[in-house]
Amino acid sequence: KAGVTQTPRYLIKTRGQQVTLSCSPISGHRSVSWYQQTPGQGLQFLFEYFSETQRNKGNFPGRFSGRQFSNSRSEMNVSTLELGDSALYLCASSLVDRISGNTIYFGEGSWLTVV
Amino acid sequence: QQQVKQSPQSLIVQKGGISIINCAYENTAFDYFPWYQQFPGKGPALLIAIRPDVSEKKEGRFTISFNKSAKQFSLHIMDSQPGDSATYFCAASRGAGSYQLTFGKGTKLSVIP
Repeated sequence: KAGVTQTPRYLIKTRGQQVTLSCSPISGHRSVSWYQQTPGQGLQFLFEYFSETQRNKGNFPGRFSGRQFSNSRSEMNVSTLELGDSALYLCASSLVDRISGNTIYFGEGSWLTVV
Repeated sequence: QQQVKQSPQSLIVQKGGISIINCAYENTAFDYFPWYQQFPGKGPALLIAIRPDVSEKKEGRFTISFNKSAKQFSLHIMDSQPGDSATYFCAASRGAGSYQLTFGKGTKLSVIP
């Protein structure tokens, strides 16, 4: 079974630009969440989607947004990029059933560098 | 406010030794405590997880010990191997169906031959 797939793996953007990152969850997984990982702040929760609805949102500015499609695939967007947005962006998916509980599986991430 | 505190930041262990990483949490609503292993350039991989109704869970060389009253949990890696060298993160989430993890800051483990 394929894991969580994220594209692109690496990208460089200029301050003020916007970026869209894509995530394909594990087949059958309906919950998709996004995390930002930086050396200083560690792993921080951005938001979580289930059935195309955002269920939870972390403490990030409105420049960070996301969406989920009917096939559970998800995208996140960061507008008006700042240097501090340089990070590894991780997508995670979960099965959402009583047996799996909270089990969350991560992709390998998208490395964003803002120059 | 850091809700999950992890220590130590870094750890050096000899091959065959026991690696111990500790975490403490503040939010008593947390009821799921996973550990993740991350190699450079890779995403975190789920290692082992525990719920508060048990005090210990073992999977191979990896054991989680959980102390609900102290709000602490720890990861023990027995017979540590150089291949275990990675960064380990503890995490917590609350409520059935919650997919929002709060992570510790991570522990960089180096296992030397």
